Amino acid sequence: KQEVTQIPAALSVPEGENLVLNCSFTDSAIYNLQWFRQDPGKGLTSLLLIQSSQREQTSGRLNASLDKSSGRSTLYIAASQPGDSATYLCAVRPGSMRFGAGTRLTVKP
Amino acid sequence: DTAVSQTPKYLVTQMGNDKSIKCEQNLGHDTMYWYKQDSKKFLKIMFSYNNKELIINETVPNRFSPKSPDKAHLNLHINSLELGDSAVYFCASSQGIGGGGANEQFFGPGTRLTVL
Repeated sequence: KQEVTQIPAALSVPEGENLVLNCSFTDSAIYNLQWFRQDPGKGLTSLLLIQSSQREQTSGRLNASLDKSSGRSTLYIAASQPGDSATYLCAVRPGSMRFGAGTRLTVKP
Repeated sequence: DTAVSQTPKYLVTQMGNDKSIKCEQNLGHDTMYWYKQDSKKFLKIMFSYNNKELIINETVPNRFSPKSPDKAHLNLHINSLELGDSAVYFCASSQGIGGGGANEQFFGPGTRLTVL
């Protein structure tokens, strides 16, 4: 059964820092991996989707990488801003989407 | 324009009652999902429908019955509500069920259900 782990569970950084969030999964036979952000009391916003044949995706200050063989993905956030404060979730498929527990990020002004 | 919408946003009810949550997507997607996020913020898939047909049922109690009247709607009916059903329920949709980029999932804002 696919298990998804996110480390760290919480992270606090000063504004302007570059940071990396980690996601690992136990079964490398995935279709894709998707990163989301969730603001308190809100739904999930899709950030990036990496297909199994891809190694990375970029959107603005965000860069997500995928290493299927080692069962890992990272989300790199450049020049962090207070508005980036949220919980970041990674999720993998095949079949049902399996979520990690998330990393709660706080960016201090 | 809201892509995936859910009603109601909040639902407070007594144990034993029956309630429904509605979901609609205007993205033209073929696949819709229901997820449950518990008090520990862990998200789990409950159901998935593709073209109005059930394709995933993750061992959810049969008190939960999804209904898809058309591709744009997936409603969730819950019978005999229990305290443990208190959670946030999210609806989502994607173009299809494969792993391609077009099958990115988009989520609704969630329905916070509280059972007293």
